[in-house]
Amino acid sequence: TQLLEQSPQFLSIQEGENLTVYCNSSSVFSSLQWYRQEPGEGPVLLVTVVTGGEVKKLKRLTFQFGDARKDSSLHITAAQPGDTGLYLCAGPTGNQFYFGTGTSLTVIP
Amino acid sequence: DAGITQSPRHKVTETGTPVTLRCHQTENHRYMYWYRQDPGHGLRLIHYSYGVKDTDKGEVSDGYSVSRSKTEDFLLTLESATSSQTSVYFCAISEMASGGLTQYFGPGTRLTVL
Repeated sequence: TQLLEQSPQFLSIQEGENLTVYCNSSSVFSSLQWYRQEPGEGPVLLVTVVTGGEVKKLKRLTFQFGDARKDSSLHITAAQPGDTGLYLCAGPTGNQFYFGTGTSLTVIP
Repeated sequence: DAGITQSPRHKVTETGTPVTLRCHQTENHRYMYWYRQDPGHGLRLIHYSYGVKDTDKGEVSDGYSVSRSKTEDFLLTLESATSSQTSVYFCAISEMASGGLTQYFGPGTRLTVL
């Protein structure tokens, strides 16, 4: 059972383009986290969103938590090759975390 | 950096052999987790621990056991490794931060079962 569905699964874009990654669930989460993972390394936390409707910005990355706290999105403006990686969303349920299947982003110079 | 190390970082073993992976943390976190990561499945929880000698099963616990005799160490054991257990294994800790409950990951162990 996949509690969190991410789309798209793969994304290949040119440098300078904008993109949005989605993380959807039928369950309500108290918070959602976004991670970025590079090959050969563990996931690294980018942001945690807690309040329904919350928007957080991290330089060119904008994260939004849905009003009902069931979904989240990650928008990247003017993507750069350094943004290449696997993006994962995750949400806690009790003391466990459930992860989405990830979005593999490639930004072509 | 949450002070998490994993050993070994790479291991190749044969079907039927026992394998133990170690996770070590230096910051006295209560909760520790073991995940496996496979293409198309993302990260899936194997077992987690909420204190010394306190552990619970995750989503994909069959074929795995864990032990936590000290706060800083969380061991994952494959009693008799199978090819389906070829994967990348990540250890994590969780802590309550201002943004909510958050996890931090170790660098991973790549396990190949031949």
